[in-house]
Amino acid sequence: EVELVESGGGLVQPGGSLRLSCAVAGFTFSSYWMSWVRQAPGKGLEWVANIKQDGSEKEYVDSVKGRFTISRDNAKNSLYLQMNNLRAEDTALYYCARFHGDYEIGNWYFDPWGRGTLVTVSS
Amino acid sequence: DIQMTQSPSSLSASPGDRVTISCRASQIINRHLNWYQHKPGEAPKLLISAASGLQTGVPSRFSGSGSGTDFSLTISSLQLEDFATYFCQQSYYTPFTFGQGTKLEIK
Repeated sequence: EVELVESGGGLVQPGGSLRLSCAVAGFTFSSYWMSWVRQAPGKGLEWVANIKQDGSEKEYVDSVKGRFTISRDNAKNSLYLQMNNLRAEDTALYYCARFHGDYEIGNWYFDPWGRGTLVTVSS
Repeated sequence: DIQMTQSPSSLSASPGDRVTISCRASQIINRHLNWYQHKPGEAPKLLISAASGLQTGVPSRFSGSGSGTDFSLTISSLQLEDFATYFCQQSYYTPFTFGQGTKLEIK
């Protein structure tokens, strides 16, 4: 059974750091790009970051560049998000998801997803 | 960034109803449009890819259409388990962006 389980969320003060983890089971983790997507309270979904199968390519939304780092450990089937210099606007439910799609037409999607881990940035 | 605008933002309907949710992109995205279902406390679920491609295991009452900038998700006969929030997502441009969601509630 495919399963993605996020952990590491919590309450942190502005300027603080957190490291999120995502444990993956049920598919060949090392064969796929992976992503983090977040949802702020009362808002829509926002793609945060992607990482290539071997970690050699990483992409970020502009609002987190220089503060967040996505990484992975294929031996542990795990995805990570190191979040530094956190701001109130980073408060959200953070989901990890497999990123893949149809190479022929270039359509990319997130599937499957975890249930998320909540990050709250507040003093 | 490409803005994805969904309408309506919320919708009340009854089991058995036919409902349509719209998603409009701020630029042409061909058919690079995906739909997700999200229930509280659960993982979001991919329903439709590339505008109209129903995912394995998704009931046939769900369908998607559109191309260019205008897309729609239709549920032909609502079941109780369909009451959820639905999001569209474009993959033509980075950053990949989502609509703000349409909450489908029981009337």
